[in-house]
Amino acid sequence: DAGVIQSPRHEVTEMGQEVTLRCKPISGHNSLFWYRQTMMRGLELLIYFNNNVPIDDSGMPEDRFSAKMPNASFSTLKIQPSEPRDSAVYFCASSPLGGPYEQYFGPGTRLTVT
Amino acid sequence: LAKTTQPISMDSYEGQEVNITCSHNNIATNDYITWYQQFPSQGPRFIIQGYKTKVTNEVASLFIPADRKSSTLSLPRVSLSDTAVYYCLVTDKLIFGTGTRLQVFP
Repeated sequence: DAGVIQSPRHEVTEMGQEVTLRCKPISGHNSLFWYRQTMMRGLELLIYFNNNVPIDDSGMPEDRFSAKMPNASFSTLKIQPSEPRDSAVYFCASSPLGGPYEQYFGPGTRLTVT
Repeated sequence: LAKTTQPISMDSYEGQEVNITCSHNNIATNDYITWYQQFPSQGPRFIIQGYKTKVTNEVASLFIPADRKSSTLSLPRVSLSDTAVYYCLVTDKLIFGTGTRLQVFP
C-alpha cells in the first residue's frame, strides 16, 4: 500500500490567495483526520471524518478553513483567504473505523503564506 | 479534556534504556493511551498502544499503573536513530501534547 498520500508537498502562496490541500487515505480506512503543526502550538487536530461525514470540526481555526470528503478516497482542506499565520505543516491521517486504531500519517504539506 | 503532560526534552546515550513518562490525570474509562514517534519533516508514526498494565512489542514497552493517570514509554537500548519527538496521546480525545524531544548521543 502506498500509505496516506498528500499533495502538494510544499505550497508557497501570497496572503489572500485560496489554498487547497489534498489527501488520499489508505484504502479501506474509514476515518480521516486533518492536523496542523507549528512550533508554537504543536500538533493540533483540525477536523476528522468517519465514513466521509465530519464528526468534530471544533479544531478548525475559523471560517476561512473548510474541509470536505466527497468520497472515501479523497479529502480536501481549503483556506480562503490565506493569511501568514496559516503557515504550518498540515498532516492528513487515516485509520480504520472504530478502534482505537493507530493513525497512519501522510508526509504532510508545508504551507508558507507570505 | 484529557490533556497530557510530558517532559519537554530528554538526553540519553546509545545503548541506554530510556523511560518517558506521560501524565493524563483526566483519562476516561474508554480511553486508550497511544504513543507516536516523529522524525523531522515526517508525520508521526505509531509506536505502541495500551489500556492498562503492560504492553510490549518489538520496539518498546508501555507501562500503565492501575489508576491509569500516567503511562511510561520504555525504549530499550536506544540508538542514534531513536532521536525524535515522542508524543503521548489519549486516543479518544485525539489531543497531542507538546511531545518529548529525545536526543541520543554516541
